Amino acid sequence: AQRVTQPEKLLSVFKGAPVELKCNYSYSGSPELFWYVQYSRQRLQLLLRHISRESIKGFTADLNKGETSFHLKKPFAQEEDSAMYYCALGYGGSQGNLIFGKGTKLSVKP
Amino acid sequence: KAGVTQTPRYLIKTRGQQVTLSCSPISGHRSVSWYQQTPGQGLQFLFEYFSETQRNKGNFPGRFSGRQFSNSRSEMNVSTLELGDSALYLCASSVGSYNTEAFFGQGTRLTVV
Repeated sequence: AQRVTQPEKLLSVFKGAPVELKCNYSYSGSPELFWYVQYSRQRLQLLLRHISRESIKGFTADLNKGETSFHLKKPFAQEEDSAMYYCALGYGGSQGNLIFGKGTKLSVKP
Repeated sequence: KAGVTQTPRYLIKTRGQQVTLSCSPISGHRSVSWYQQTPGQGLQFLFEYFSETQRNKGNFPGRFSGRQFSNSRSEMNVSTLELGDSALYLCASSVGSYNTEAFFGQGTRLTVV
């Protein structure tokens, strides 16, 4: 069965420190993986998707099929990065049916 | 452009009642998906509608149903409410083709007492 695991509920770092939010998935097919972010009092929104191989707000994520991971990284955290981050697995050719991890709350301290 | 709109924002219902939630997608979007968010289970996929047809369905009992209208607006219905149905219900819309971004609404907070 498809599953997404985010092992850390809370991650606390200081401003300027590197950040890595972990995500592991279980899926027998070819995965489509995404990171969504929810800032305080805002809607859930797409941060990045593996197929685009892009960097958004300094964040990158590489799909490692061997380790079935899609960790989110940023070399220097900023206070405005504090938010809830969700890793999600899509299948069926669209983002219409996503399986979400339980999320990691990132807190960046000044 | 206007974002995904969900109404109402808050609801309080009694056990055994039924409830209907509404979602208006972004103009031009043909796919609407519904998710349930609870502290214990996180975000769970309920179902997806595309061009008035249910395209995908999550693992929820038949008490949860939905539909989509010709203008892509969608409604979700929960019958015979249980205390455990208390949750934030999120709607997301997308163009519906491969790998298009899903845009989320602010959700409807349902409390069952």
